[in-house]
Amino acid sequence: QSALTQPASVSGSPGQSITISCTGTTSDVGGHNYVSWYQQHPGKAPKLMIYEVSNRPSGVPDRFSGSKSGNTASLTISGLQAEDEADYYCSSYTSSNTLVVFGGGTKLTVL
Amino acid sequence: EVQLLESGGGLVQPGGSLRLSCAASGFAFSSYVMNWVRQAPGKGLEWVSAISGGGGSTYYANSVKGQFTISRDNSNNTLYLQMNSLRAEDTAIYYCAKGRLHDGYYGMDVWGQGTTVTVSS
Repeated sequence: QSALTQPASVSGSPGQSITISCTGTTSDVGGHNYVSWYQQHPGKAPKLMIYEVSNRPSGVPDRFSGSKSGNTASLTISGLQAEDEADYYCSSYTSSNTLVVFGGGTKLTVL
Repeated sequence: EVQLLESGGGLVQPGGSLRLSCAASGFAFSSYVMNWVRQAPGKGLEWVSAISGGGGSTYYANSVKGQFTISRDNSNNTLYLQMNSLRAEDTAIYYCAKGRLHDGYYGMDVWGQGTTVTVSS
């Protein structure tokens, strides 16, 4: 059981928008603005897409955006493209006795 | 080019030990926190351990605390993970990942391609 809760799967058609949620607690998502999102294509290493809730690294399309409300963070992908089909993971700093927690991952299917 | 290259994975018997290495290039290695993240076959990502840029602070997931030891050699730009008393559930791809700042967790912006560890008799 992962520390952060994500839906197992989401889907959307090209051009549409989708949102992936990531629910934690006040010890992680709700208590700190250090949520990151990663994209992972099959057989590849993860790629940072969003850091500190809503910031995009250089090179990440602005179709990807992040937000947070209470204990839930969200990743929104607008104008879906075929190459967006991948697994997406959220993660957060945690003030528990570790440092980082991940969500279980969400498989995005572009129909 | 910023690059991370893991090595040291392989097949090990239960109870055995393995040391993973991650060679870094293209950035000021000692200025950044470094992490190990693993992914069991068909499963999600699991953060394993981190070490601050200077090496003075280390962090571990509860699942590996007391079993794994993270370290770094800033003179040779290399990160290590010493894994002892290995169990079947430690079987995974182990990724080395660079943190965005000197310490703490603010996202991991560079990842290696991973090295595979298989624990089996």
